[in-house]
Amino acid sequence: SQKIEQNSEALNIQEGKTATLTCNYTNYSPAYLQWYRQDPGRGPVFLLLIRKNEKEKRKERLKVTFDTTLKQSLFHITASQPADSATYLCALDGGTGRRALTFGSGTRLQVQP
Amino acid sequence: GAGVSQSPSNKVTEKGKDVELRCDPISGHTALYWYRQSLGQGLEFLIYFQGNSAPDKSGLPSDRFSAERTGGSVSTLTIQRTQQEDSAVYLCAIRQGAYNEQFFGPGTRLTVL
Repeated sequence: SQKIEQNSEALNIQEGKTATLTCNYTNYSPAYLQWYRQDPGRGPVFLLLIRKNEKEKRKERLKVTFDTTLKQSLFHITASQPADSATYLCALDGGTGRRALTFGSGTRLQVQP
Repeated sequence: GAGVSQSPSNKVTEKGKDVELRCDPISGHTALYWYRQSLGQGLEFLIYFQGNSAPDKSGLPSDRFSAERTGGSVSTLTIQRTQQEDSAVYLCAIRQGAYNEQFFGPGTRLTVL
């Protein structure tokens, strides 16, 4: 069955450092991969999308890579700030059919001032 | 999010009771999804509405769950004879972009005692 793995342990880093979060998947061939941010008590918020034929995507301090051979995506936040503290979810999209996203369980990021 | 409202924000009910959860998206979005998020888990797809097509109910966990969408806008998720394992946050989302970026509501936290 399809499986998405994100590090369940919280990631703690110092302000100003680069945070790197990992998303691994098995038994899936996604057309797109998305990253969302979720704050406590709120719904996920879309951040970035990368297509299977793209290696890297950037948006301001965010960078996403997508390696379909390794079946892995890395999500980087450069010059991290305490306001970046949240849970980050990766989501896979098969690109056809109902287009419901398959989500990982998320990684909680804590940026210390 | 501003484009999707959900009510109630919190619902506490007794085991065996029926509950109705409401999703009210801004107009003009044809694709609407319901997901469920249990504590510490990723989002689990429940049901998908696309225009006037028959809904994709393949994610509903049991026949106690049902949903409808009236007038192509407001959607209601109904859980009959609630069980404690139904306790979760129920999230509604609309398709936002060309690549299936999704815009989530704030969710309804359901607690079954």
